Amino acid sequence: EIVLTQSPATLSLSPGERATLSCRASQSVSSYLAWYQQKPGQAPRLLIYDASNRATGIPARFSGSGSGTDFTLTISSLEPEDFAVYYCQQRSNWVTFGPGTKVDIK
Amino acid sequence: QVQLVQSGSELKKPGASVKVSCKASGYTFTSYAMNWVRQAPGQGLEWMGWINTNTGNPTYAQGFTGRFVFSLDTSVSTAYLQISSLKAEDTAVYYCVVSIYSGFFDYWGQGTLVTVSS
Repeated sequence: EIVLTQSPATLSLSPGERATLSCRASQSVSSYLAWYQQKPGQAPRLLIYDASNRATGIPARFSGSGSGTDFTLTISSLEPEDFAVYYCQQRSNWVTFGPGTKVDIK
Repeated sequence: QVQLVQSGSELKKPGASVKVSCKASGYTFTSYAMNWVRQAPGQGLEWMGWINTNTGNPTYAQGFTGRFVFSLDTSVSTAYLQISSLKAEDTAVYYCVVSIYSGFFDYWGQGTLVTVSS
């Protein structure tokens, strides 16, 4: 099973700041990696797929990069609605999710 | 538009069974696999497996064999998750999820909370 590790566990930032979230895979997943955003009481929402492609309707302030084992989700300037939990997910070998990074308001 | 509408919350006693439904609309149901994802309270996401909506063949992830059954009723574009011999640790929100455009989980149901308590 491919294990995904996300860091940090919690990121405390202010609106307008840049957020950088990391996801590391235990073995290469090529570019078969996605990022999801989840707010309390809601289903997750797909943000980024294939490591760097924004899903439909996702604002340009969200960007993804990386390949192989190391991936990054960047939010260029945090909006109030961006404070949430973010999960990475791979589909290179079955499907696994990372444990999540909570972005909260500083 | 694509919609996945799940059945309502359930409260069950240990040892009972539960069946969660997921009604799909806005796309051809039998053209895309249906996945199931579990989220225990305050925890992360766990992929449970998927069912081929064309053949009805299910595939279960590790940890979800034996008591978990995926099924379909293609006549009403609905997928089902049945859990038998419920345990307290089955308490979670269960999501049905479909991948249509990206190869990842584009569309999610609203989730069904299953609570197992005596």
